[in-house]
Amino acid sequence: DIQMTQSPSTLSASVGDRVTITCRASQSINRWLAWYQQKPGKAPKLLIQKASSLQKGVPSRFSGSGSGIEFTLTISSLQPDDFASYYCQQYDISPFTFGPGTKVDVK
Amino acid sequence: EVQLVQSGAEVKKPGEPLRISCKGFGYYFTSYWITWVRQMPGKGLEWMGKIDPSDSSTKYSPSFQGHVTISVDKSISTAYLQWSSLKASDTAMYYCARRYGGYDPLDSWGQGTLVTVSS
Repeated sequence: DIQMTQSPSTLSASVGDRVTITCRASQSINRWLAWYQQKPGKAPKLLIQKASSLQKGVPSRFSGSGSGIEFTLTISSLQPDDFASYYCQQYDISPFTFGPGTKVDVK
Repeated sequence: EVQLVQSGAEVKKPGEPLRISCKGFGYYFTSYWITWVRQMPGKGLEWMGKIDPSDSSTKYSPSFQGHVTISVDKSISTAYLQWSSLKASDTAMYYCARRYGGYDPLDSWGQGTLVTVSS
């Protein structure tokens, strides 16, 4: 199975901060990487697919980059609604494994 | 509007069987694979397996193979996740989600079904 790691596991930030989360795959997954946002008690929501393609309706402060084994999710200016957990997922090779998640909380 | 609607919370005893469901609305059900994802209390997301409703073909994560069964009834646009004998360690939230197939992510998710297994 492809192993996914994320860093940091927790990130404390303030409204307006620029936030970057890193996701690494144990082998190349080309650009077959998605980012999801999950709020407590809610289902995950797809933010970005194919490493950098923003889903319709997702604010432009979210962006993704990377290819191969290293990827990043950036929030350019953190908003109150963005405090949540973020997961990456590779969908290149089954099983389509998730990263362990990054919790963004209030500093 | 695309929706995946899951069955309600369950409280079961160890050793009991269980089947939970996920019904698709607002799209061609057989055009999208259904994936099941586990989230244990306070933990991350785990990909369990997927089913193609058009032909009922399945693929399981090695971590879940043999422990759960994924099935579908395309006549009622419903996918299922079932256990023959629950364990306390099966206590978790279970989500269904759809993907188009090929190289696509999970673009729509159910609301989740909480399964609690306790004696």
